Amino acid sequence: IAGITQAPTSQILAAGRRMTLRCTQDMRHNAMYWYRQDLGLGLRLIHYSNTAGTTGKGEVPDGYSVSRANTDDFPLTLASAVPSQTSVYFCASSDAGTGELFFGEGSRLTVL
Amino acid sequence: GQNIDQPTEMTATEGAIVQINCTYQTSGFNGLFWYQQHAGEAPTFLSYNVLDGLEEKGRFSSFLSRSKGYSYLLLKELQMKDSASYLCAVMDSNYQLIWGAGTKLIIKP
Repeated sequence: IAGITQAPTSQILAAGRRMTLRCTQDMRHNAMYWYRQDLGLGLRLIHYSNTAGTTGKGEVPDGYSVSRANTDDFPLTLASAVPSQTSVYFCASSDAGTGELFFGEGSRLTVL
Repeated sequence: GQNIDQPTEMTATEGAIVQINCTYQTSGFNGLFWYQQHAGEAPTFLSYNVLDGLEEKGRFSSFLSRSKGYSYLLLKELQMKDSASYLCAVMDSNYQLIWGAGTKLIIKP
């Protein structure tokens, strides 16, 4: 089934640990995004990539890094997790320049 | 700064009509989007407006007034499955989506 796959779906980790959230899409979309969603706040863009080999910073990039080695994969890494990074993380993709995003099912991350 | 405002929560009755408003102030405008998000699930695309006026898609319609920085999502013949959060988003001059916090719609029998 075409779409976006995120892993893990849920994770609890200790503060200071490194964590990578995986995201893979099979729709051959150029653009990919990582958002975090917190109660009472809108989706906030962490990082994005308009095409393979390029990445950009979103609204809340601090403490996160991404890479885009190929069209399909867009992992998000937390180098040293902190409790304020407890959130639900959504990966999304789209044809570049369009606002019709396709979202993964989300990764619920708890940092203790 | 850029800002999207929509009500936090609304309640409506099954079978009725509800209108969810969204006002925005952004640097540039390249379209307004509505997404639906059921609890614990991912957002899914509902509608897109770039020109003024009403776009109808089945029981859902979306309206845009660019001069007023205003949009609404109209849901008719409400069903229990319409209970969800509805997210308004605007694409700015950099083609980035700016998101509202979402409106939680509660449908009562």
